Amino acid sequence: AQSVSQHNHHVILSEAASLELGCNYSYGGTVNLFWYVQYPGQHLQLLLKYFSGDPLVKGIKGFEAEFIKSKFSFNLRKPSVQWSDTAEYFCAVNGNDKIIFGKGTRLHILP
Amino acid sequence: DTGVSQNPRHKITKRGQNVTFRCDPISEHNRLYWYRQTLGQGPEFLTYFQNEAQLEKSRLLSDRFSAERPKGSFSTLEIQRTEQGDSAMYLCASSFSTGKIGTIYFGEGSWLTVV
Repeated sequence: AQSVSQHNHHVILSEAASLELGCNYSYGGTVNLFWYVQYPGQHLQLLLKYFSGDPLVKGIKGFEAEFIKSKFSFNLRKPSVQWSDTAEYFCAVNGNDKIIFGKGTRLHILP
Repeated sequence: DTGVSQNPRHKITKRGQNVTFRCDPISEHNRLYWYRQTLGQGPEFLTYFQNEAQLEKSRLLSDRFSAERPKGSFSTLEIQRTEQGDSAMYLCASSFSTGKIGTIYFGEGSWLTVV
C-alpha cells in the first residue's frame, strides 16, 4: 500500500527565510508525486507535480521540489518565502489509480 | 470551464438524518474522486469513478455511505443516518486519465456538520 509522511506539522518562518518541507513516500513501483497548497478558506490547488524526467520540478509561485528516488523523498523548497505563502501544504503520491495525501504541514509566515 | 463544482457548500444536519452532496466535475474529465478531510488532516480517499463505473471504495466508506455517477458526468455522495463523526469536509475532484493518472483538480468542498 502507498503512504505519505510529512515530517513537519507546523512551521513558522519570517519573510525572506528559505523553506524546505519534507515528504517521504512508501510505494514499491513507479510513482507520480504532487504538492498541493490550501490557502485559508480556499480549496486545494496544485503547486507542482512530478511524473517523469528531470527530478527537479518547478511549480507556481517560486516553489520547486526534488524527487530523490533512493530516499523515497519529494521535498518542497522555496528560497525566499512571503507572507502570502501562509497556508497548509500537502504532499501526495499516486502509484495506481488514486492519490494518497500526507497529513499536511501548516506554514505560518511572520511579516 | 468553471472547474469542479460542489453543492451545497455547507450543510448542518441533525444526527440520524440523511444528507446528499453533489459534484459536477470538469467537463470531459472521465475520473471523479471523493475525499474526506477533517481539521488537521490531509484528504482521505473515499472512492472514485471511471466514467460511470465505481472502481474502488475505501474501507472508510461504511455501508451508510453511497456514491453514484449515473451518466458518467455529475456524482452524488449520500450519507444515511448521519453520525457526529461524519462531520468533515467532503471533497470532490476530477481528472482526465488514460491509463496513467492525470492531474487531479479539486472542488471547494462541502462542509458537513452533524449536531
